[in-house]
Amino acid sequence: EADIYQTPRYLVIGTGKKITLECSQTMGHDKMYWYQQDPGMELHLIHYSYGVNSTEKGDLSSESTVSRIRTEHFPLTLESARPSHTSQYLCASSEYGLAGGTDTQYFGPGTRLTVL
Amino acid sequence: GQQVMQIPQYQHVQEGEDFTTYCNSSTTLSNIQWYKQRPGGHPVFLIQLVKSGEVKKQKRLTFQFGEAKKNSSLHITATQTTDVGTYFCAGRTSGTYKYIFGTGTRLKVLA
Repeated sequence: EADIYQTPRYLVIGTGKKITLECSQTMGHDKMYWYQQDPGMELHLIHYSYGVNSTEKGDLSSESTVSRIRTEHFPLTLESARPSHTSQYLCASSEYGLAGGTDTQYFGPGTRLTVL
Repeated sequence: GQQVMQIPQYQHVQEGEDFTTYCNSSTTLSNIQWYKQRPGGHPVFLIQLVKSGEVKKQKRLTFQFGEAKKNSSLHITATQTTDVGTYFCAGRTSGTYKYIFGTGTRLKVLA
């Protein structure tokens, strides 16, 4: 099983609050991803990173921001939470790049966010 | 933008019956991955296909990548209750690190 951690696992918060979802991996993976998933639905990529100090927005428009100051850490921040942000947020990491190999994505357990 | 569709959206089968889910991309893929997500859990990697026409087997699971590298399928022989979950394909296009996940197929197996 992969060593990728997310905290908190569950979060209920009021509208307008600033929140940071934590994601850490101990595998030394260069690539990390944030996905948003509503119950029973597909995963939508919101941010990804292919190394320290490199981040890109995914295909799903998001009001969140990310940072990648250390290889193992990829936090996601919502400056002002809204009810529309209620969802599950999944963090993932992978090792191999475009050169080949199996770039398996290892997923964390997720954070279930509810914004009231 | 790139889209990845899966059919069917839901499938209920009797234990012992076979099951197939199909994945179709709007663009040619560099590779495709398959994941399984149990209810309440997170996606778990099953396999990656890279070559045109590639077929891989894992026990009762058979994965296929289309000749044009725009579609893929997952076939489960003689389903068991442990196969319950949602199966997602995820495709990557050349020159990018990101994967686009399919819409998923939710499988229920009736004992």
